Amino acid sequence: DGGITQSPKYLFRKEGQNVTLSCEQNLNHDAMYWYRQDPGQGLRLIYYSQIVNDFQKGDIAEGYSVSREKKESFPLTVTSAQKNPTAFYLCASSIRRLAGGQTQYFGPGTRLLVL
Amino acid sequence: QKEVEQNSGPLSVPEGAIASLNCTYSDRVSQSFFWYRQYSGKSPELIMSIYSNGDKEDGRFTAQLNKASQYVSLLIRDSQPSDSATYLCAVLNSGYALNFGKGTSLLVTP
Repeated sequence: DGGITQSPKYLFRKEGQNVTLSCEQNLNHDAMYWYRQDPGQGLRLIYYSQIVNDFQKGDIAEGYSVSREKKESFPLTVTSAQKNPTAFYLCASSIRRLAGGQTQYFGPGTRLLVL
Repeated sequence: QKEVEQNSGPLSVPEGAIASLNCTYSDRVSQSFFWYRQYSGKSPELIMSIYSNGDKEDGRFTAQLNKASQYVSLLIRDSQPSDSATYLCAVLNSGYALNFGKGTSLLVTP
C-alpha cells in the first residue's frame, strides 16, 4: 500500500526536551512538508523540502528543525526553543512540479502534548 | 500577507440538500486551488482540485472558480450525515507551499 506514515500518533514532551516526529512516504514523491494545526485554526507551514538534502523555512520555523537525507523520510524535531509546541502536526508530500500545481497528500498526523 | 478566508460556520443543512461552501483569497497570482475534508481528530483528505475558471464536477462534489472575483466554492449535492466535517480551502501561491483557510464546519442533519 502506498501512503504516508507518521509516528508516533501521540507524543508527550517534558520541559526543555527535544522530540522528533517521524514522517515516511512510499509514494515516490519528491516534495515533503510539515504543517502545524492548532484548535480552530488552519494549517501553518513549518518547513518544506523539494529535493533530498535541501529544505526551506515556512511561516513558523522558529523552534523547529528538519533533515532530508532520504527521499522517503522527512523527520521534524521540536526543540526546547519552541515554547508552545502543543498542536497537531501534519506531514504531507507531493510530486514536484516547477510550475506549481502540486497536489499535497497528508499523513495521519502526530498529536504533541506538553507534560 | 496572503489571506485565504472562509466562514467558520457551522453551516447546517438537512440531509439531501445542497451544501455551499465559500472561500476568498487575496493573492491575484494564485493558480491552484484545493478543497480538503477533515473529520474531527483526523488529517485532511483531498476532495477536489481546480485550476481553471468555471466548474469542475466529481460525483456529488462541484468546485467553482472565479479568478476575477478571487473566489472559489464547493457544492455538495445530496448531502449526507457522513459529509459532516470541516472543509478546508487551500490556495497555492507563488512557490510551492499551500496557504490554508481556517475551515468551515458543516453539519448535515438527518
